[in-house]
Amino acid sequence: AQKITQTQPGMFVQEKEAVTLDCTYDTSDPSYGLFWYKQPSSGEMIFLIYQGSYDQQNATEGRYSLNFQKARKSANLVISASQLGDSAMYFCAMRGGGSNYKLTFGKGTLLTVNP
Amino acid sequence: DSGVTQTPKHLITATGQRVTLRCSPRSGDLSVYWYQQSLDQGLQFLIQYYNGEERAKGNILERFSAQQFPDLHSELNLSSLELGDSALYFCASSLTGTGPQETQYFGPGTRLLVL
Repeated sequence: AQKITQTQPGMFVQEKEAVTLDCTYDTSDPSYGLFWYKQPSSGEMIFLIYQGSYDQQNATEGRYSLNFQKARKSANLVISASQLGDSAMYFCAMRGGGSNYKLTFGKGTLLTVNP
Repeated sequence: DSGVTQTPKHLITATGQRVTLRCSPRSGDLSVYWYQQSLDQGLQFLIQYYNGEERAKGNILERFSAQQFPDLHSELNLSSLELGDSALYFCASSLTGTGPQETQYFGPGTRLLVL
């Protein structure tokens, strides 16, 4: 069974500073994908970034980067130069191998960016 | 805008009733997924379809059913509604529905309130 753990229910960051949102995972699949999604107060789920289990380099997408440490089974999201619009719920998710390609989500971290 | 559309955006109904949620995937995507987001359960995978065929089932109640039509749109039918079915229902789509690396793109969701 796959499991995603996000231990920070809430985080605060000052505008223009960087913030790291933690995510650890557990799976027995050798091949898997890790995803981060953003959910603003309006409710939609926005895809941010993807990291494959065999990727040698950490994924980056604009101000988002993923700090992937495979041996520690962690996939932390780093947001650089935080903006007020980054205030939202952030979900870490995993997609494994086998025949079931569902996403397993963590409970999320509520990020608040202060001016 | 992810390219996935869902209707209606909001739905208010009474216990015991039946509702249908509709989803159109991104252009070119063959696989559709349904997820339920509630305060107590978090984000839960319900069911996946690929090119009209059911591919995987998650925590979907027997009162719930879904299908994917030849034009690839999908409908989620919820019957004998209970108060606990109140939730945000997401549809997501991906290209083939296989492989852990494939990103799922989410629609804006349908917010269901059962009174």
